[in-house]
Amino acid sequence: QSVLTQPPSVSAAPGEKVTISCSGSNSDIGDDYVSWYQQLPGTAPKLLIYDNYKRPSGIPDRFSGSKSGTSATLDITGLQTGDEADYYCGAWDSSLTTYVFGTGTKVTVL
Amino acid sequence: EVQVVESGGGLIQRGGSLRLSCAVSGFSVSANFVSWVRQAPGKGLEWVSVIYNNGRTYYAESVKGRFTISRDTSQNTVSLQMNSLRAEDTAVYFCARSGWDWIFDYWGQGTLVTVSS
Repeated sequence: QSVLTQPPSVSAAPGEKVTISCSGSNSDIGDDYVSWYQQLPGTAPKLLIYDNYKRPSGIPDRFSGSKSGTSATLDITGLQTGDEADYYCGAWDSSLTTYVFGTGTKVTVL
Repeated sequence: EVQVVESGGGLIQRGGSLRLSCAVSGFSVSANFVSWVRQAPGKGLEWVSVIYNNGRTYYAESVKGRFTISRDTSQNTVSLQMNSLRAEDTAVYFCARSGWDWIFDYWGQGTLVTVSS
């Protein structure tokens, strides 16, 4: 099963910015909207970004998403200790007719 | 208020069967997509299966032919029948709601399935 490629980990000091990339193909990211999910330790994933850049109610604007071609990006600005979590991108794959998640990125606040 | 509650996980021997259940409230399983997503210990998320609002079903290649998703609209539940279980099926299984847009906006807390060899 195809997966989207993310860096295993990123880190930064409190208040700084991190960027998480998500690389796919023409049949997934290139053909559909991207969502991002935050998974705090020991909890279920939580929707963070949908339709490439939209935020659900209650998600602070420190989190922002974008997409270009077959790649997507999640930016977290003003990093806080509570942002330490695993982050996953996801999209529907039209050729596989399955949903694919990214490999996941662990964010560490130094 | 939307609630999603999984149950049915446990320890099962390789080759055995297990049935997971996802009980939802606050939305109708007949009007939404409901997926199962799993996470092996220390690993990432893997989409497993979906049942559409029209009843159509789809599966990941890794479980096709072994797992069956179904729903009971009278009970507002979705089930995952898992047969011929393998060690690599060991994971926490989450139930999640979405629409045609594949936005997983509500998730359950997950249920752990452990397949012993």
